[in-house]
Amino acid sequence: GESVGLHLPTLSVQEGDNSIINCAYSNSASDYFIWYKQESGKGPQFIIDIRSNMDKRQGQRVTVLLNKTVKHLSLQIAATQPGDSAVYFCAETSTGNQFYFGTGTSLTVIP
Amino acid sequence: DAGITQSPRHKVTETGTPVTLRCHQTENHRYMYWYRQDPGHGLRLIHYSYGVKDTDKGEVSDGYSVSRSKTEDFLLTLESATSSQTSVYFCASGRDSAKNIQYFGAGTRLSVL
Repeated sequence: GESVGLHLPTLSVQEGDNSIINCAYSNSASDYFIWYKQESGKGPQFIIDIRSNMDKRQGQRVTVLLNKTVKHLSLQIAATQPGDSAVYFCAETSTGNQFYFGTGTSLTVIP
Repeated sequence: DAGITQSPRHKVTETGTPVTLRCHQTENHRYMYWYRQDPGHGLRLIHYSYGVKDTDKGEVSDGYSVSRSKTEDFLLTLESATSSQTSVYFCASGRDSAKNIQYFGAGTRLSVL
C-alpha cells in the first residue's frame, strides 16, 4: 500500500505475472477515484478511474476494485510487462475541485 | 501528455526573485490545475481554475498566485521564491465536470538557491 514515508513502497514482479497495487483512502465521502502511472521524469498518466457507484471496472489489462466499506482501492495489472515499471498512485475526491493523491508504489518488472 | 505544455522544463533561481511558470493546453479544457510534487508527499494542489478569470486556492497556496486570461493558458507565479518552493511543478487540465480525468503536463523542475 501507499505511505507518507520518504521511501516508496515497492513491488517487484516477474514479467508475465499479475500485479496488485493497493491504496487506502481516508475520506469516506470520496466518490471518484483515479489511478495514475508515473514514469521517471514524466508527468502522471491516466490509467483507469472508478466512481463510487461501482465496485469494479476493467480496462485493457487493468482492473480497479473499490471496497468502500474499508476504504480500499486496488489496481490489478494482468500479464505485467517491462513497460509497466513505474510509480503508481491513486487519487480520490469528494468535491472534484480538490483531489488527494497518494505517495505511490514503485513497480519493478523483472524480465 | 494530452496536449499540455509546460515551460520552462527546468529553472534555477535565487531566493527572493519572482518566477512564473507557464502551462498551455490545446484541448479546450475548462479546468486547469497547478500541483507540486515533493518526496514523501503525493501531488498537492496549489491553485486551480474553473474558467477564464475564475481561480481558487488549493491546500498549499501560500506564496503562489495564478492567472488565467485565456482558456488555454494558466500561469503560476512565485512572487518571491523561497527554498521551500524547490519542487517539481505539474500542470493538469480537465474537461467540463470537476470529477473527471485530469491530464498532466511533463512538469517543471524548479530549484531555488
